[in-house]
Amino acid sequence: GQNIDQPTEMTATEGAIVQINCTYQTSGFNGLFWYQQHAGEAPTFLSYNVLDGLEEKGRFSSFLSRSKGYSYLLLKELQMKDSASYLCAVIDSNYQLIWGAGTKLIIKP
Amino acid sequence: DAEITQSPRHKITETGRQVTLACHQTWNHNNMFWYRQDLGHGLRLIHYSYGVQDTNKGEVSDGYSVSRSNTEDLPLTLESAASSQTSVYFCASSEGGGHTDTQYFGPGTRLTVL
Repeated sequence: GQNIDQPTEMTATEGAIVQINCTYQTSGFNGLFWYQQHAGEAPTFLSYNVLDGLEEKGRFSSFLSRSKGYSYLLLKELQMKDSASYLCAVIDSNYQLIWGAGTKLIIKP
Repeated sequence: DAEITQSPRHKITETGRQVTLACHQTWNHNNMFWYRQDLGHGLRLIHYSYGVQDTNKGEVSDGYSVSRSNTEDLPLTLESAASSQTSVYFCASSEGGGHTDTQYFGPGTRLTVL
């Protein structure tokens, strides 16, 4: 079966750095997305990785290792507004998008 | 500005009733998707469309139907609402590339079936 694993919840302190991991077991791989979803709102696009390595975009970076079936989202200089759920989604060999359950990130002052 | 809207934002209905949730996008995107989101689950795909007159079943399509008569709209119909269909429903659209392109989501509809 297809499976995406993310921690259910994480807590971090304002101004700190946090890494949210995503591991996947899917039938093939054609890319990985990270989306941010604030409570009661729609998911919004953060990043897309298809090649191994780190993609940096301001305070947010996303890393991919295809051989390990692993990705992480790195958030630096955390702000209170970063409190949200972070969704990992993988494109499988049939070009279907498989979603993880998301990681709820709580930022404390 | 282009956008994607859903209506109603909140809906309470009774078991057995037919319910239609509207989704309208002004991005002129070919692809449109319907998902449901429940606690402890990722987004689950209900139906999707790659263009006018095209519709396809997702992983949780039983009890739901869609039709695509124009580019802008993909209404989702619950034929006979069941309590198990209480959920938050999101519509999304993307320009191309099937499921591989970035998806833009509507604000969601919270549906309660009593």
